[in-house]
Amino acid sequence: QQPVQSPQAVILREGEDAVINCSSSKALYSVHWYRQKHGEAPVFLMILLKGGEQKGHDKISASFNEKKQQSSLYLTASQLSYSGTYFCGTENTGNQFYFGTGTSLTVIP
Amino acid sequence: EPEVTQTPSHQVTQMGQEVILRCVPISNHLYFYWYRQILGQKVEFLVSFYNNEISEKSEIFDDQFSVERPDGSNFTLKIRSTKLEDSAMYFCASTETVTPLGYTFGSGTRLTVV
Repeated sequence: QQPVQSPQAVILREGEDAVINCSSSKALYSVHWYRQKHGEAPVFLMILLKGGEQKGHDKISASFNEKKQQSSLYLTASQLSYSGTYFCGTENTGNQFYFGTGTSLTVIP
Repeated sequence: EPEVTQTPSHQVTQMGQEVILRCVPISNHLYFYWYRQILGQKVEFLVSFYNNEISEKSEIFDDQFSVERPDGSNFTLKIRSTKLEDSAMYFCASTETVTPLGYTFGSGTRLTVV
């Protein structure tokens, strides 16, 4: 039931792009994305409610493929402040919410 | 910006002792949650709470755990007899709606059981 994220970890140089994927074995109602800095609480980034929906702000965006039960988070022109662990969270049609396995993102100068 | 407040930020307790973790959710939120994160691992759901009762709980949330909303503002998680494996970061969250449009997490309580 827990969504699986890939990759588990990624290291980028400032300015590079990254894609983080989130896959579920169950039909999804919504997908959330969170970023967690070390020692801090997860911070909500965005939610996607409909299959095919794409959202974004600044240089971080996400898409939701309902048929494939997948979501992807896109980080473009990465900045040092993007470093952290990214979690997807999926809600299935039974109103059950599960966080993904997490992806550690490190941006280096 | 409204926030979820948790106290204490760090609690050290001896195995077998009872601990109470406290949370003050955002004032107009109706749904409350506890999550746990063992160091370096995923965020795990413990329990959700609405209208003064548990609406859902995970397998982790066994008889050693209980939640309460003793007054109009606090939301507490009690661990009756702590075990070493209860050591983790505990996050409280609250939402306005049952279908959350994003969870607002507190800053967490780091529980260390020795």
